[in-house]
Amino acid sequence: KNEVEQSPQNLTAQEGEFITINCSYSVGISALHWLQQHPGGGIVSLFMLSSGKKKHGRLIATINIQEKHSSLHITASHPRDSAVYICAVSNNNDMRFGAGTRLTVKP
Amino acid sequence: KAGVTQTPRYLIKTRGQQVTLSCSPISGHRSVSWYQQTPGQGLQFLFEYFSETQRNKGNFPGRFSGRQFSNSRSEMNVSTLELGDSALYLCASSRQGNSPADEQYFGPGTRLTVT
Repeated sequence: KNEVEQSPQNLTAQEGEFITINCSYSVGISALHWLQQHPGGGIVSLFMLSSGKKKHGRLIATINIQEKHSSLHITASHPRDSAVYICAVSNNNDMRFGAGTRLTVKP
Repeated sequence: KAGVTQTPRYLIKTRGQQVTLSCSPISGHRSVSWYQQTPGQGLQFLFEYFSETQRNKGNFPGRFSGRQFSNSRSEMNVSTLELGDSALYLCASSRQGNSPADEQYFGPGTRLTVT
């Protein structure tokens, strides 16, 4: 079993839909990261959180430390949100990654 | 402020050769981490450097090594290349690298192909 599990693996949505991507982890962490990777490889860090909830524009990330679970929500999804979303956990300068969720938003 | 830069962006090498990749962090960032991304294994942590010292290392063979210079620029080296080393190699920088508030910024990556 992987230390970081993401679901779903693939997700197709219509423009405007509310999207949720889930992440569960089984190791101790100092922080959880949500990353976005577009075709071509570039990675952007969306959120880094160790408790509670963070919001940036249409993106919301939550984490439940007791349940070792995090969710990434996208409100009013848009085709430009199409990308791979990767959950990662860090501890002691070591980062472990989920397999990623490939999101396609259709106009 | 300039972002993280990596050179070269693309590289083709032959099995048995060695390769050196370079990463220049954001100015003021002292932590540099390296990652390997392959279709089969996804993203995996290679190592992290801070103030010219390797602080942590992932589960990779000794053929993978790195170093960091006094200006925080970092290089990674892979010796005796194997076909399985074909991957996108990403580096990321952060100020200190050991705080939940310390965000990582990724470079564009170096795509290495081993033939």
